[in-house]
Amino acid sequence: DTAVSQTPKYLVTQMGNDKSIKCEQNLGHDTMYWYKQDSKKFLKIMFSYNNKELIINETVPNRFSPKSPDKAHLNLHINSLELGDSAVYFCASAISPTESYGYTFGSGTRLTVV
Amino acid sequence: AQSVTQPDIHITVSEGASLELRCNYSYGATPYLFWYVQSPGQGLQLLLKYFSGDTLVQGIKGFEAEFKRSQSSFNLRKPSVHWSDAAEYFCAVGAGGGSEKLVFGKGTKLTVNP
Repeated sequence: DTAVSQTPKYLVTQMGNDKSIKCEQNLGHDTMYWYKQDSKKFLKIMFSYNNKELIINETVPNRFSPKSPDKAHLNLHINSLELGDSAVYFCASAISPTESYGYTFGSGTRLTVV
Repeated sequence: AQSVTQPDIHITVSEGASLELRCNYSYGATPYLFWYVQSPGQGLQLLLKYFSGDTLVQGIKGFEAEFKRSQSSFNLRKPSVHWSDAAEYFCAVGAGGGSEKLVFGKGTKLTVNP
């Protein structure tokens, strides 16, 4: 079983569309994250949820809206997609916000906006 | 705010040669430090982590890293590189408990020549 799974793995869409990426973890972790990796491979945190509550929101455009229906799931919805949104989006989970074991990452969703 | 610098964008070594990837961090308190590896098209895998105690930490795949507070460094080493080590390597620093937010360096791409 995959510990942190993201769907879809690839997503190609036109500018202006709305799309969602889903993430699920079966590790029993309380905390989940979305990271964006740009074309230069730079990874930057977008959001973090702890037990369904938003705890980190890193000045991301409000076209991006995360949703956590339960602590095992964290979805990312993006409205009015722009070319600059093209990137790889990684979901990750951790035992808790203060647990020091590091994250477990999903394999990423490559979003291409054309 | 914490930050991470990986001075080398791209390193090429021959198979069997030794490897050192550099990482410098900026953080006011005791840092929580991590090295992740990303193979092409894959997610990030944790190689090793430092929180406290012995400044030389061992990781998976034969990697080790040494924390040097006086130099604000956490360099990754491997005595003999294998072709399968070709990948992108990311150093990261965590604040607070280590999982609250990870700040990543921009990565070092490792190429291994036969």
